[in-house]
Amino acid sequence: DAMVIQNPRYQVTQFGKPVTLSCSQTLNHNVMYWYQQKSSQAPKLLFHYYDKDFNNEADTPDNFQSRRPNTSFCFLDIRSPGLGDAAMYLCATSREPDVLEQFFGPGTRLTVL
Amino acid sequence: QKEVEQDPGPLSVPEGAIVSLNCTYSNSAFQYFMWYRQYSRKGPELLMYTYSSGNKEDGRFTAQVDKSSKYISLFIRDSQPSDSATYLCAVRYGYSTLTFGKGTMLLVSP
Repeated sequence: DAMVIQNPRYQVTQFGKPVTLSCSQTLNHNVMYWYQQKSSQAPKLLFHYYDKDFNNEADTPDNFQSRRPNTSFCFLDIRSPGLGDAAMYLCATSREPDVLEQFFGPGTRLTVL
Repeated sequence: QKEVEQDPGPLSVPEGAIVSLNCTYSNSAFQYFMWYRQYSRKGPELLMYTYSSGNKEDGRFTAQVDKSSKYISLFIRDSQPSDSATYLCAVRYGYSTLTFGKGTMLLVSP
């Protein structure tokens, strides 16, 4: 089945220790998104890629970076995680930017000790 | 003022009840209105979308938009325990990215 896969599902890291979250998709969609969702909060868009074009949200901290080496994969790098970065990180895709439906992965829950 | 406001609940109802979930939004430029459903430990999935005022039905689900009052509703008829999830409203305009509400947790008891 075509889908959005996120690895790992659970990630524990230490304060200040860089961490990378992974997303892959078999949908061949052009757009990939990274959202941060804290408990009982709305998913907050961090950035998205339209093909190779990177689009950063204005209020995304510099601590968060992303890479998209090819159509299928997208990575979220947190350079120096703080306690406030503990959250669920959701990857999503859409076929084109004007398509309403986004397909979400199951998320990676990040714990920062 | 946040762009999309949604009561987080939880909303507890017995099986078979009619459920009403609501959002308000502040930007009259929003053109597209969506409801996503998120089960525990899963990503959201699109349930319904609409772009005009009025009602749109899909089985037991009805999405309603009132652009004059900037109010979005999702009604669930004959609610089932399998409907227990968090329901997130989302809005966008043009090619903008999605703006989500916080989500309302729904619990349907057998």
